[in-house]
Amino acid sequence: AQSVTQLDSHVSVSEGTPVLLRCNYSSSYSPSLFWYVQHPNKGLQLLLKYTSAATLVKGINGFEAEFKKSETSFHLTKPSAHMSDAAEYFCVVIFHGSSNTGKLIFGQGTTLQVKP
Amino acid sequence: NAGVTQTPKFQVLKTGQSMTLQCAQDMNHEYMSWYRQDPGMGLRLIHYSVGAGITDQGEVPNGYNVSRSTTEDFPLRLLSAAPSQTSVYFCASSYQLGEKLFFGSGTQLSVL
Repeated sequence: AQSVTQLDSHVSVSEGTPVLLRCNYSSSYSPSLFWYVQHPNKGLQLLLKYTSAATLVKGINGFEAEFKKSETSFHLTKPSAHMSDAAEYFCVVIFHGSSNTGKLIFGQGTTLQVKP
Repeated sequence: NAGVTQTPKFQVLKTGQSMTLQCAQDMNHEYMSWYRQDPGMGLRLIHYSVGAGITDQGEVPNGYNVSRSTTEDFPLRLLSAAPSQTSVYFCASSYQLGEKLFFGSGTQLSVL
């Protein structure tokens, strides 16, 4: 079955410490992978996208994600959290079908809290 | 460019009523989709379309209909509203499947 699992519904870090948001997926094929962020009362913004050019993907605002095929994971990291990073983060996976169709499936979301 | 225009922003329905959520984009995007967002469940895909005349079901299609007669428009119809359809709905589009998604501002729907 095709699925996306964000392993933590809530992550709390102190400002200046590293951030790790975990995402695993299940798919028979190499999927397309994304991270989106949703700040309170705002729309969703693309953080980064895995394009198969490199397993380590750099995104906006200092975020990175590493694609590990053997672990079917695409975890999001940032070396040093900032207060403005507090938001909800979504791992997104495209499960490709036939004839260029495909379902863009969101994980359940991880709420990142950043403490001063 | 207006981007993705989604209307209405708020709607209250009674159980059994039908309505259509409108979504239009002016970016010539091929891929359009509808999601509902519920607390603790992320965004769940309702229906999507990879081009005019082509639609397909997502994760939670029951109780919803879509059509894609033009590239620009992708309306979502609630056939007979139920309280379980109380949610925030987002329309999203991208140039093609796999490209950056552009989201509408959302519709907060309450079904009483």
